[in-house]
Amino acid sequence: GAGVSQSPRYKVAKRGQDVALRCDPISGHVSLFWYQQALGQGPEFLTYFQNEAQLDKSGLPSDRFFAERPEGSVSTLKIQRTQQEDSAVYLCASSLGGVDSGANVLTFGAGSRLTVL
Amino acid sequence: GQNIDQPTEMTATEGAIVQINCTYQTSGFNGLFWYQQHAGEAPTFLSYNVLDGLEEKGRFSSFLSRSKGYSYLLLKELQMKDSASYLCAVTDSNYQLIWGAGTKLIIKP
Repeated sequence: GAGVSQSPRYKVAKRGQDVALRCDPISGHVSLFWYQQALGQGPEFLTYFQNEAQLDKSGLPSDRFFAERPEGSVSTLKIQRTQQEDSAVYLCASSLGGVDSGANVLTFGAGSRLTVL
Repeated sequence: GQNIDQPTEMTATEGAIVQINCTYQTSGFNGLFWYQQHAGEAPTFLSYNVLDGLEEKGRFSSFLSRSKGYSYLLLKELQMKDSASYLCAVTDSNYQLIWGAGTKLIIKP
């Protein structure tokens, strides 16, 4: 597609519910990143995929967080048993090359705003 | 640890010039990015510096000094639509992007 598409844009969940956030990157983009952004803060890295391989998941805050990109295109971030501290905007970004390919410019989606009550 | 510092908020007048500073301490350096983020929207790419010096792109310029661990973003002829957060990010030796908290720029008429 023309840009990075994320859904849902807004999600309200009760504490303890599972949620799934979807990211549809730009077609042909090799790299895909998930970030968590709190209000007034910069993006915090969660995980990185190169094609279908999850090369770095060091930023996932707990084992309740799981991400996949099974066919190297669409990715899903799943959060199990949501907690209030999970409330944030979840940003997805994609880039044409790998992380070590020079000026690796990221194109971001508009984000999914998760509110856990 | 790795750290990116930028001012939390700045105010400037329409038509004026503003300079947003960014200092960084990272394990290695493989480039510095500036992104613009309007409230509730996605960050969008503004500039990339990997060598020392000034990169100019229309009303926006970005400067880098690797020896000082310092960059700035210069915005000229400010317009109301430039009101946004400006994010500085550095690629470290592992090619991981380290982000600053962003500088909220308020433009007044």
